[in-house]
Amino acid sequence: DTGVSQDPRHKITKRGQNVTFRCDPISEHNRLYWYRQTLGQGPEFLTYFQNEAQLEKSRLLSDRFSAERPKGSFSTLEIQRTEQGDSAMYLCASSPRTGGIDNEQFFGPGTRLTVL
Amino acid sequence: GQNIDQPTEMTATEGAIVQINCTYQTSGFNGLFWYQQHAGEAPTFLSYNVLDGLEEKGRFSSFLSRSKGYSYLLLKELQMKDSASYLCAVRNDYKLSFGAGTTVTVRA
Repeated sequence: DTGVSQDPRHKITKRGQNVTFRCDPISEHNRLYWYRQTLGQGPEFLTYFQNEAQLEKSRLLSDRFSAERPKGSFSTLEIQRTEQGDSAMYLCASSPRTGGIDNEQFFGPGTRLTVL
Repeated sequence: GQNIDQPTEMTATEGAIVQINCTYQTSGFNGLFWYQQHAGEAPTFLSYNVLDGLEEKGRFSSFLSRSKGYSYLLLKELQMKDSASYLCAVRNDYKLSFGAGTTVTVRA
């Protein structure tokens, strides 16, 4: 399967713990995005990478959230000191560079986080 | 700011046609996307409009009026597998802003 992959698919943690999610984009896609989706809502933009550079971060992304894409391939999203309000589906998407701004974003299956 | 509105739920009969409306007020506009999302799964791309008018792809069509801040997704010949959430999303630069989604239930 050459689609976007995310790991783990599900994560249950206790409040106050740190969690890290991984996203592997489609090969050769240089743009990578993180979104968060809560029940009954559409995905909300969190952050965006072009290659290894993080070009935009949403105001939704508090200081407890950090994302990296060290070699311009896979990305990690870390949440420190998790809170119950962090419970959500975390979606990763990627898009290719060629074709300009019209390119659709391909979404991964998501990581469902439950904070107890 | 971004304001994207679409109905919460719609129900239709197998074989029928359903139209899902989306209105938007956004700080920037580089195109409008429609995605389909089955429960617990990732959104999958359905259609894209950047110019005014109708785009047709098989049983799905999407329309855009930029002056009115309005789009619709038309689903024809509904099948049971079309039961899903349909997300309207506006692109501003490279970022997508999504509506809350419209849950479509197809009944036999």
